Amino acid sequence: EDQVTQSPEALRLQEGESSSLNCSYTVSGLRGLFWYRQDPGKGPEFLFTLYSAGEEKEKERLKATLTKKESFLHITAPKPEDSATYLCAVPDSGNTPLVFGKGTRLSVIA
Amino acid sequence: KAGVTQTPRYLIKTRGQQVTLSCSPISGHRSVSWYQQTPGQGLQFLFEYFSETQRNKGNFPGRFSGRQFSNSRSEMNVSTLELGDSALYLCASSWGGRPGTEAFFGQGTRLTVV
Repeated sequence: EDQVTQSPEALRLQEGESSSLNCSYTVSGLRGLFWYRQDPGKGPEFLFTLYSAGEEKEKERLKATLTKKESFLHITAPKPEDSATYLCAVPDSGNTPLVFGKGTRLSVIA
Repeated sequence: KAGVTQTPRYLIKTRGQQVTLSCSPISGHRSVSWYQQTPGQGLQFLFEYFSETQRNKGNFPGRFSGRQFSNSRSEMNVSTLELGDSALYLCASSWGGRPGTEAFFGQGTRLTVV
């Protein structure tokens, strides 16, 4: 069964303290890995798509990387406004558009 | 460019009632997918519509149904509501040509069943 696992479940950082979130997946024939940010009570906001191992994408303090089995979302010098739940998702080997992980809840403390 | 619009934002319904939720995708997008989000299960796929046809379906009971109109707008319906149907219902819009294209979400409809 195709699965997406994110770790840690929750992460608390001091402002400026860099860290990484992990997303591991088991799906054959990866057709893209997607990162989203979700604020409480709102819909997920699209961040990045990665398609092949070795690919990297950056946006402000965020950088996403991809290997054959996992993806990392690196957060450099985070600010309190980066606090949110970060979700990763992949299309499964069948026809489900996106299978989501449970997310990492990030809190950045000033 | 307008984003994905979901209406209503909030709903309170009684057990046994039915409910219809609406989603207007980004202009030019032909695929609309629906997801249910709960604290325990996370985001779970309900179904996907493309060019007015259901293309994929998740593992939900038949009480959950949907449709898509010729202008790509979509509705989902839940009949005989149960307490466990309380959730944030999200729709996602993509151009839909192939799996792996970016999907953009609306703000969701928060459904509370009492």
